[in-house]
Amino acid sequence: VQLVQSGAEVKKPGESLKISCECSGDRSVNYWIGWVRQMPGKGLEWMGIIYFGDSTTKYTPSLQGQVTISADTSITTAYLQWSSLKASDTAVYYCAGALNGNFYFDYWGQGTLVTVSS
Amino acid sequence: QSALTQPASVSGSPGQSITISCTATSSDVGGFSHVSWHRQHQDEAPKLLIYDVNNRPSGVSDRFSGSKSGNTASLTISGLQAEDEGDYYCNSYTLRSPTYVFGPGTKVTVL
Repeated sequence: VQLVQSGAEVKKPGESLKISCECSGDRSVNYWIGWVRQMPGKGLEWMGIIYFGDSTTKYTPSLQGQVTISADTSITTAYLQWSSLKASDTAVYYCAGALNGNFYFDYWGQGTLVTVSS
Repeated sequence: QSALTQPASVSGSPGQSITISCTATSSDVGGFSHVSWHRQHQDEAPKLLIYDVNNRPSGVSDRFSGSKSGNTASLTISGLQAEDEGDYYCNSYTLRSPTYVFGPGTKVTVL
């Protein structure tokens, strides 16, 4: 299984953005995909997770309403979306994959750098 | 504030063993049996080293081992090598959304 993320983005405050994470190698829907934020010089932080099987989604409470996590199971791709970016959204965003029933994420995307600056 | 605490930094000389602790400060982590460890090198994606407290994925060196005592999980690196430098994060299943939580990370330096 490989997770391949979309490329780096440079956006202005207030703009919208949708980044992607494609799960290749195993096209089954039996995976959870998590999105992890790493702000400059900081640690890893879970933003939320989504299950390909039924699109069950769980968000970190502080980020609920700030971002939207979704998936297109026909192409086993997960998405992380903002409707109005802020400068504080500048970070590297990783997707991580876990087989349903496991409690660990053993597959990681390469990361997507999002820079929000006026 | 994370439900997990880790030391900010740990260092050791080549060949030595070091141990990184991860302490649960909240009962939200349940039995603390689903603890995993990830290493992150500078500007790279994290890599899974240990899962479910003490299991190693295939391909991970047996110099890495995990254990748990009460509400503290530990990662031990034996035979420290220069390539072991990096940031180490514990991760635990939690009863709170979104079901997982990272510790703040520990920077490992090889002297």
